[in-house]
Amino acid sequence: EAQVTQNPRYLITVTGKKLTVTCSQNMNHEYMSWYRQDPGLGLRQIYYSMNVEVTDKGDVPEGYKVSRKEKRNFPLILESPSPNQTSLYFCASSLSNGYRETGELFFGEGSRLTVL
Amino acid sequence: AQSVTQPDIHITVSEGASLELRCNYSYGATPYLFWYVQSPGQGLQLLLKYFSGDTLVQGIKGFEAEFKRSQSSFNLRKPSVHWSDAAEYFCAVDGRVFGNEKLTFGTGTRLTIIP
Repeated sequence: EAQVTQNPRYLITVTGKKLTVTCSQNMNHEYMSWYRQDPGLGLRQIYYSMNVEVTDKGDVPEGYKVSRKEKRNFPLILESPSPNQTSLYFCASSLSNGYRETGELFFGEGSRLTVL
Repeated sequence: AQSVTQPDIHITVSEGASLELRCNYSYGATPYLFWYVQSPGQGLQLLLKYFSGDTLVQGIKGFEAEFKRSQSSFNLRKPSVHWSDAAEYFCAVDGRVFGNEKLTFGTGTRLTIIP
């Protein structure tokens, strides 16, 4: 079954304690992206990756890191989480071969993070 | 910079009534346009998309959307809503085909259905 898998789905942590949210897709998609969803603000892009070893900032990258060492995985790292990073996070992937072809985003089920 | 506006934060309609959700975009050319739906506690699911060609596109669950270039709009419609349509709906603009690697979402419209 084609899917995007995020872990953990729920996490409560404390300020400053490093954490990683994993994301894995089994569709051989080139493009992967992280979003955060906050009430009244919709989805805002944190980071995205066009392919392995190619990442770039989205609209709200501060306080986050990413890496893309393998095509299927795109972890989101919070080195020193703060309460303003309490949010619902979504990972997504799509086809994007760089030749004016792109595809719909497939989303994970979300990771709800609370930073105390 | 590309942007998407969904002017209605919350809409309430009666079951069986028609529905129209508004979406306006700002972009230098005609981007790819999407509507996604998010049911409570779920991720986002694609309803429909517009790339080119026929400006009226059909999607899943009986939804359709019409692209109007002159109005920079891509409104979502359904002739008769069902209680299961209660969800949050997001319009999105995809500029990746133009070398802009961003897919930008609107702030969403929450749909409530009254029995």
